[in-house]
Amino acid sequence: DSGVTQTPKHLITATGQRVTLRCSPRSGDLSVYWYQQSLDQGLQFLIQYYNGEERAKGNILERFSAQQFPDLHSELNLSSLELGDSALYFCASSPGGGAYGYTFGSGTRLTVV
Amino acid sequence: DQQVKQNSPSLSVQEGRISILNCDYTNSMFDYFLWYKKYPAEGPTFLISISSIKDKNEDGRFTVFLNKSAKHLSLHIVPSQPGDSAVYFCAASVGNNDMRFGAGTRLTVKP
Repeated sequence: DSGVTQTPKHLITATGQRVTLRCSPRSGDLSVYWYQQSLDQGLQFLIQYYNGEERAKGNILERFSAQQFPDLHSELNLSSLELGDSALYFCASSPGGGAYGYTFGSGTRLTVV
Repeated sequence: DQQVKQNSPSLSVQEGRISILNCDYTNSMFDYFLWYKKYPAEGPTFLISISSIKDKNEDGRFTVFLNKSAKHLSLHIVPSQPGDSAVYFCAASVGNNDMRFGAGTRLTVKP
């Protein structure tokens, strides 16, 4: 158990639908990061939050949005889902600032049918 | 925009030999580099890191080398063990923000 909790572990949904992925960071970590890993692809950075504020944005589609709540958990919302959105979505956390490695959760596998 | 590249999708070595995984980057602003290891059905786990002020960092069987002029880093595993078989991701960031990952190299260590 890395200390980063992602729910649900698996999600199957139809095209056009909307889903919400949830992440609870490791205790004490202020930064949350979202990554997407498509089949045989590397980890694509989507977005980072630090203590409730958006800190950095990567290749995140306009159909996707995220937020970090006062209790520091984060949600990634994916809407108007397409088949190509099927992927593993990882959340990671870090204390924030400085040279720390990220701690990753075990991911949510999203399948769009 | 692939700022971190791992050009070898796979690598196979014999147990006890050295494994060398390579990574190239394009952004000269990166100041922190890391290697992560990933087993199936798990998230990546942090392995070893190096800051841009160093050219080598060692941790047990794992050593990371950084060549800033060539924008290249490598991970050496000596000696390689079957349990090291996993996907290895190279990552780089500016001040621990917006960390970018390579596509990964699948290492297979044969007994």
